[in-house]
Parts: sequence; C-alpha cells; structure tokens
Amino acid sequence: AIQMTQSPSSLSASVGDRVTITCRASQGIRNDLGWYQQKPGKAPKLLIYGASSLQSGVPSRFSGSGSGTDFTLTISSLQPEDFATYYCLQDYNYPYSFGQGTKLEIK
Amino acid sequence: EVQLVQSGAEVKKPGESLKISCKGSGYNFSNYWIAWVRQMPGKGLEWMGIIYPGDSDATYSPSFQGQVTISADKSISTAYLQWSSLKASDTAMYYCARRHDYGDSINWFDPWGQGTLVTVSS
Repeated sequence: AIQMTQSPSSLSASVGDRVTITCRASQGIRNDLGWYQQKPGKAPKLLIYGASSLQSGVPSRFSGSGSGTDFTLTISSLQPEDFATYYCLQDYNYPYSFGQGTKLEIK
Repeated sequence: EVQLVQSGAEVKKPGESLKISCKGSGYNFSNYWIAWVRQMPGKGLEWMGIIYPGDSDATYSPSFQGQVTISADKSISTAYLQWSSLKASDTAMYYCARRHDYGDSINWFDPWGQGTLVTVSS
C-alpha cells in the first residue's frame, strides 16, 4: 500500500502569510493526488485534483504542484477562513490513502 | 444540485449490528463510485473502501476488509456501510463521497456527505 507522508503536522501562521504544505508518496503516483480542506465539525471539501487543477469555486490563492512522489499545496495569502486542517489523498491505486493532515492555526 | 445525504447519528452497544446509508441525488447514481471514509475522534481521515453502484463492484482497504461490508442499491440511489458486530473502536464519524472520473486517470471526490456519527458504548 502507498504511504502518504504529510508535513508539517501543524502550522501557525498569520493572515496574509504564504504557506506551503507538502505530501510525499512512498512510490510514484504520477499526478494522482488531491487536496482537501476540513473545518471542525464539517465534511472535507475538495480544493485541488490531479495535483494542480483548482476545483471550481475554490479561490485562486490555493494552488497545487508536483508529480511522482512530491507534492505541495500553497496558499498565497492566508485569509481568516483558511484556518482548517488540510489532507492530501492519493488516488493512484487501491487502497487510496490520506496524509496524516496539517492543522493550520492562527498565530 | 448533486448531493449525498447520510443517515442520522447512531448509538449502539458492542456486539450489535448496524447499517448506515448514503443517498445520492441530482445525478445518475449508478455511474459514479462511492467511497467511505472514517474519522475517529480527534484523528485524521482513513479511506475504507469504494463501490460502483452500477454492478456493486467493491474494493476495501486491507485495514477494513472483513470488518465492514459496503453495498449499494442503485434502484434507490443509496450506498451502505454495515457492521455485523460493533466494537467500541468503531466509534467514529463516517463520510461517504462520490468519485468523479475525468478522462483515463483523473479522479476526485466531490461532493461529500455530511457524515454519520457512530457511537459504540456499553
């Protein structure tokens, strides 16, 4: 099974900051990776699919990059509503697998 | 509007059985894979398995194989997750999500159900 290692596990940042979250796959997964945002008490929400494609309706401050084993999610200028937990998910092969999550907190 | 609506919260005792549901609307339910995801209290997301309602083809994560059963009834646009004998460690929020396939290999999960909280306690 493919292991997804996500870092950091938590991150403190301020409104307006640029932040980057990374995911590393234990083997190559082409660009078969999505990023999801989860707020407390809510279901996850799709942000990015195919490693770099922005889901419709998601603000353009979110971007994704990477291919193979290394991937990043970047938020160019943090907004108050962005403080949440972020997960990567590989959908290259079964069983699909999530990263451990990154909790983004207000500094 | 495409949406998935899950059944309500459940409180069960260890050893009891349970079946929770995920009803799709706004699209052809038969043609899209539905996944189930577990989130234990205060923990991250875990991918449990997936089913294609059109023919009930299902794949499980090894961590959940034999522990749960995923099924679907396309006639009523509903997917299910069931346990035959619950344990306290099954206490968690469970989400369903629709997989959208684009081209040969691009997939994503959207929308998600609102979640079903399962509490197992004696």
